[in-house]
Amino acid sequence: DIQMTQSPSSLSASVGDRVTITCRASQSISNYLNWYQQKPGKAPKLLIYAASSLQSGVPLRFSGSGSGTDFTLTISSLQPEDFATYYCQQSYSPPQTFGQGTKVEIK
Amino acid sequence: QVQLVQSGAEVKKPGASVKVSCKASGYTFANYGISWVRQAPGQGLEWMGWISSYSGNTTYAQKLQGRVTMTTDTSTSTADMELRSLRSDDTAVYYCARRYRYGPYYFDYWGQGTLVTVSS
Repeated sequence: DIQMTQSPSSLSASVGDRVTITCRASQSISNYLNWYQQKPGKAPKLLIYAASSLQSGVPLRFSGSGSGTDFTLTISSLQPEDFATYYCQQSYSPPQTFGQGTKVEIK
Repeated sequence: QVQLVQSGAEVKKPGASVKVSCKASGYTFANYGISWVRQAPGQGLEWMGWISSYSGNTTYAQKLQGRVTMTTDTSTSTADMELRSLRSDDTAVYYCARRYRYGPYYFDYWGQGTLVTVSS
């Protein structure tokens, strides 16, 4: 199975901050990497697919980059509604594993 | 609009089975597959498997092989996930999610989740 490792596991940031979350795959997954946002008690929401493609309706402050084994999710200017947990997921091969999550909290 | 509506919460005893349903609307069901993802309390997301709505082909997580069965009914645009021989560590919120039949593969719409509690 492909292991996905996110860092950090949690972070504290202020509104307006630039936030970067990284995700590393245990083997090359090309660009088969997705990012999801989850708020408490809610289903995950797709933000980025294929490493860098912004899902329709997602604000432009979210961006993704990377290929191979190393990937990044960036929020250019953190907004109050962005405080949530973020997960990466590889869709290169089954099982389509998720990272352990990164919780973004208010500083 | 695309919607995935799941069946309601369940409480089961260890050793029992549970079936969770996911009714799709707002898109051509056969053009997409359905993936199932679960989340134990306070934990991360776990991919359980996937079923093609057009062929019925399935791929299951190895750890669930032999205990899980995923099916679809194209006449009602419904996907079902049955988990057998339930254990306490199967307690989780179970989600269905839509996945396009062609890559790149991602889950763009999700059901609201179904809480399954396994307790004696």
